[in-house]
Amino acid sequence: QKEVEQNSGPLSVPEGAIASLNCTYSDRGSQSFFWYRQYSGKSPELIMSIYSNGDKEDGRFTAQLNKASQYVSLLIRDSQPSDSATYLCAVYGNKLVFGAGTILRVKS
Amino acid sequence: KAGVTQTPRYLIKTRGQQVTLSCSPISGHRSVSWYQQTPGQGLQFLFEYFSETQRNKGNFPGRFSGRQFSNSRSEMNVSTLELGDSALYLCASSLAGQYYEQYFGPGTRLTVT
Repeated sequence: QKEVEQNSGPLSVPEGAIASLNCTYSDRGSQSFFWYRQYSGKSPELIMSIYSNGDKEDGRFTAQLNKASQYVSLLIRDSQPSDSATYLCAVYGNKLVFGAGTILRVKS
Repeated sequence: KAGVTQTPRYLIKTRGQQVTLSCSPISGHRSVSWYQQTPGQGLQFLFEYFSETQRNKGNFPGRFSGRQFSNSRSEMNVSTLELGDSALYLCASSLAGQYYEQYFGPGTRLTVT
């Protein structure tokens, strides 16, 4: 079992829709959870961090954490073509472990 | 505040050679981590340095090594390069406190021929 699992996609959504990205992790002792966005040919960019159960909102982005289910998600509201990228889920226990990423395509 | 910088940005080396990559963290960040990213394996953790000490290490052969200087700048070295070492090498810096947010540099694209 991989430490951090994500559906590789691609996830295709129309412009203006909500994109929902999901991630599960195996280490129950994990303390911090992150979402990174990576455009093709660029380095990952931190877009959301969440540390406690529940929702955290920042602009069009909402991160959700459920430690009991070992599940993290990212919602992107009003998706734009510029949101098309690979989204990486990362989980910190004693080191930062990344999922393989989900490719998101927003169609105009 | 300036971001993480990495030099060089692109590098072409021949099998058997060695290479040294450099990373300057965000000012005030004392933790530097290195990652290898390839299309097949994704982002793989190499090692982390904090206050000049290696704090954590990934599952890479001993050909991969690193160090950190007193000003928090870090270098990683790969000896006896193999074709499979061709990758994007990313450095990330962090305050390394409880919340551990890491910020990435632009990366060094290494091609081994």
